Amino acid sequence: DTEVTQTPKHLVMGMTNKKSLKCEQHMGHRAMYWYKQKAKKPPELMFVYSYEKLSINESVPSRFSPECPNSSLLNLHLHALQPEDSALYLCASSQDDKGRYEQYFGPGTRLTVT
Amino acid sequence: GQNIDQPTEMTATEGAIVQINCTYQTSGFNGLFWYQQHAGEAPTFLSYNVLDGLEEKGRFSSFLSRSKGYSYLLLKELQMKDSASYLCAVRVSGGSYIPTFGRGTSLIVHP
Repeated sequence: DTEVTQTPKHLVMGMTNKKSLKCEQHMGHRAMYWYKQKAKKPPELMFVYSYEKLSINESVPSRFSPECPNSSLLNLHLHALQPEDSALYLCASSQDDKGRYEQYFGPGTRLTVT
Repeated sequence: GQNIDQPTEMTATEGAIVQINCTYQTSGFNGLFWYQQHAGEAPTFLSYNVLDGLEEKGRFSSFLSRSKGYSYLLLKELQMKDSASYLCAVRVSGGSYIPTFGRGTSLIVHP
């Protein structure tokens, strides 16, 4: 199983809402990532979890809150977002976070903030 | 920091060969990835180069010259389904080791 799954596929939320994005992989990968991607731009790294611990936070605003409940799951909790946060949110995993291995990406969640 | 440069857009004809270039300026280079991303979909891994030379995988090949800070992705026998964005990502040592993506090259294959 070389699949990373993400739910939901699409999400529309108001600026006062609280929602969560979910990501799951069963490849035994110990590194998991959240990326934000705007149209016609490359993915921008947001967070990295290594062995279920947050190892990198790329100065992401606190309205985005990651969580790694176990080695297979990664969540991104959203609260009080702004319209400019509308983007494709990609989850990825790799065997470790040392960059020696390719990343496997999920299909993404298309988020629209109204 | 890192500076990764790719052409924004390229067009090619079905059945032809196309070469997508990626140049980079980094300190502590430690590997280069190529990913393919169809519109609205996730990036998928194509190749990884860490040593100079050519890596071939079916219709796709990737080349690296570390001394020139240069890589290319070569796509042969182009098919319409190859229309996608091609992302070059560079890994450096001494930092987080997480690859940084270039802006991507949008390839349009026409009949």
